[in-house]
Amino acid sequence: TQLLEQSPQFLSIQEGENLTVYCNSSSVFSSLQWYRQEPGEGPVLLVTVVTGGEVKKLKRLTFQFGDARKDSSLHITAAQPGDTGLYLCAGFQRGNEKLTFGTGTRLTIIP
Amino acid sequence: KAGVTQTPRYLIKTRGQQVTLSCSPISGHRSVSWYQQTPGQGLQFLFEYFSETQRNKGNFPGRFSGRQFSNSRSEMNVSTLELGDSALYLCASSLVGGQTSFGYTFGSGTRLTVV
Repeated sequence: TQLLEQSPQFLSIQEGENLTVYCNSSSVFSSLQWYRQEPGEGPVLLVTVVTGGEVKKLKRLTFQFGDARKDSSLHITAAQPGDTGLYLCAGFQRGNEKLTFGTGTRLTIIP
Repeated sequence: KAGVTQTPRYLIKTRGQQVTLSCSPISGHRSVSWYQQTPGQGLQFLFEYFSETQRNKGNFPGRFSGRQFSNSRSEMNVSTLELGDSALYLCASSLVGGQTSFGYTFGSGTRLTVV
């Protein structure tokens, strides 16, 4: 059973459109991170959220941590081809020092 | 500052052989974690080393092992390779690791193909 489920698994949209990627779990996380991975490279950290209800913005990307710290979302406005990649959420559970990764969302932005 | 360096980038091995992968973390980082990435299973945690000690371990068979040296460089070893070990092996570096890290820096990975 995958602890962190991401949806959708694949997403292909036109440049300029908005999109939201979801990361859901039945477990509580003490912190949650989002990464983007491009082909042939390792994941790159985008953001870390630690407080329930926290919202962080990174230019056109908005990250939200659920109030109960069981879920998170990533919203991208006016998507650009450079946003193409595999988006991964990853979380720590209290008392467990292992970073657990989600199933991933593969995003393709069509010019 | 230099990033996380993994060597080699690509490797082809035969079933039954063994392989050693290397990871040099960011200077000053004491925690090194290893992950296996496959299309079917995603990123799976292998183990974490901190100050030369294995601090955490994932659910992989004993064929997978690792170590960390006094300069924080880490190696992982896979013995008696199986076809299913074909994957991208990623190393992640952080200052202290665990929940206090607030983020990991990954290397570009080693692509292992077992034939």
